[in-house]
Amino acid sequence: SYVLTQPPSVSVAPGKTARITCGGNNIGSKSVHWYQQKPGQAPVLVIYYDSDRPSGIPERFSGSNSGNTATLTISRVEAGDEADYYCQVWDSSSDWVFGGGTKLTVL
Amino acid sequence: EVQLVESGGGLVKPGGSLRLSCAASGFTFSSYSMNWVRQAPGKGLEWVSSISSSSSYIYYADSVKGRFTISRDNAKNSLYLQMNSLRAEDTAVYYCARGGTTTTVVTPFDYWGQGTLVTVSS
Repeated sequence: SYVLTQPPSVSVAPGKTARITCGGNNIGSKSVHWYQQKPGQAPVLVIYYDSDRPSGIPERFSGSNSGNTATLTISRVEAGDEADYYCQVWDSSSDWVFGGGTKLTVL
Repeated sequence: EVQLVESGGGLVKPGGSLRLSCAASGFTFSSYSMNWVRQAPGKGLEWVSSISSSSSYIYYADSVKGRFTISRDNAKNSLYLQMNSLRAEDTAVYYCARGGTTTTVVTPFDYWGQGTLVTVSS
């Protein structure tokens, strides 16, 4: 089965840049989607097809994908960005797969 | 405005059954694939099942295959998840989520409901 590996936690100071990685075997050949989930709320799609942003998502959110690592980058981090972030891919053998999630803490 | 409202959760004994529903509004339901995703207390997201717009393509996670059945009624704008032979490890908040308008299910989940809690315990 296909496995996506995310760091359990990432910490960043306000105004700085946060990078959350999602590792998988040759993930660069797949399309990666990213979700933000705040406590007690449903997930929200923040990046799809590696680097596209849904309407309403700030330009501070961006994504990239190459080789064995996809990255969600959040620039000029704000307190309101504190949340859990999940990557997701479709794999022909495993169907939909989510990463384990990364808790972003704004210091 | 797109709305997805889940219902049907509750407390059930191990081995029991439950049927979840997801009422959709604000979009042409029959054109979109739909999905169920669950989240155990304090844990991450786990994909459960997906169904294409016309029900031609259906997929299940290995953890629920043979026990859960996804279905939809496009005339009623509703998505369902029939859950049988429930186990303690099925305890989770179950979310329905909208996919895309392609004929397959391989599209990101752009809208999510607020979820319904299923607790499996004796």
